[in-house]
Amino acid sequence: QKEVEQNSGPLSVPEGAIASLNCTYSDRVSQSFFWYRQYSGKSPELIMSIYSNGDKEDGRFTAQLNKASQYVSLLIRDSQPSDSATYLCAAPGYSTLTFGKGTMLLVSP
Amino acid sequence: GAVVSQHPSWVICKSGTSVKIECRSLDFQATTMFWYRQFPKQSLMLMATSNEGSKATYEQGVEKDKFLINHASLTLSTLTVTSAHPEDSSFYICSAGAGASGNTDTQYFGPGTRLTVL
Repeated sequence: QKEVEQNSGPLSVPEGAIASLNCTYSDRVSQSFFWYRQYSGKSPELIMSIYSNGDKEDGRFTAQLNKASQYVSLLIRDSQPSDSATYLCAAPGYSTLTFGKGTMLLVSP
Repeated sequence: GAVVSQHPSWVICKSGTSVKIECRSLDFQATTMFWYRQFPKQSLMLMATSNEGSKATYEQGVEKDKFLINHASLTLSTLTVTSAHPEDSSFYICSAGAGASGNTDTQYFGPGTRLTVL
């Protein structure tokens, strides 16, 4: 059974700070990972995907993957109150993506 | 690209009635679509995987006779909640696979349907 673990939070950061969201996974053969953002009452929205070790940057977002440690993270630079949401980490399972339970991020003005 | 729509966005119905929710991939063909349910302040729960032209695969604990899924084309899957009861009130979200492998590649979510059963 593939597992994706996330700290439920909330993770509170002040506006302008770097928010660091972490995720660990159990299956060593997982090749790709996805980060979704879900605002309260809305459906998840894909924000990043990462397939290889190292960093992938997209605007204020950086995804980091360390396959040896089975660890993937999402950094949000210059955090804004509009970034306050639940962030879901996902890895491919047998027939679908396996989602973590999500980390709630709160960015205070 | 990769837009998924759902209809209706919200629905209120009486206990005992049936409700149909449509999920469409607007600009791509989705061999596989997924149906999730999410209760307030809880995580996504996968209900079933829907493959075009074949029977859906339901997750453990999900009643296939209550939650009827039809995937008639590569752009449309429907979920019918039959004989709905108040405990079925939830946020139902579909997603569609948009990658080459279809089912384990990137998933794009529809906006969700909020069902309230009175």
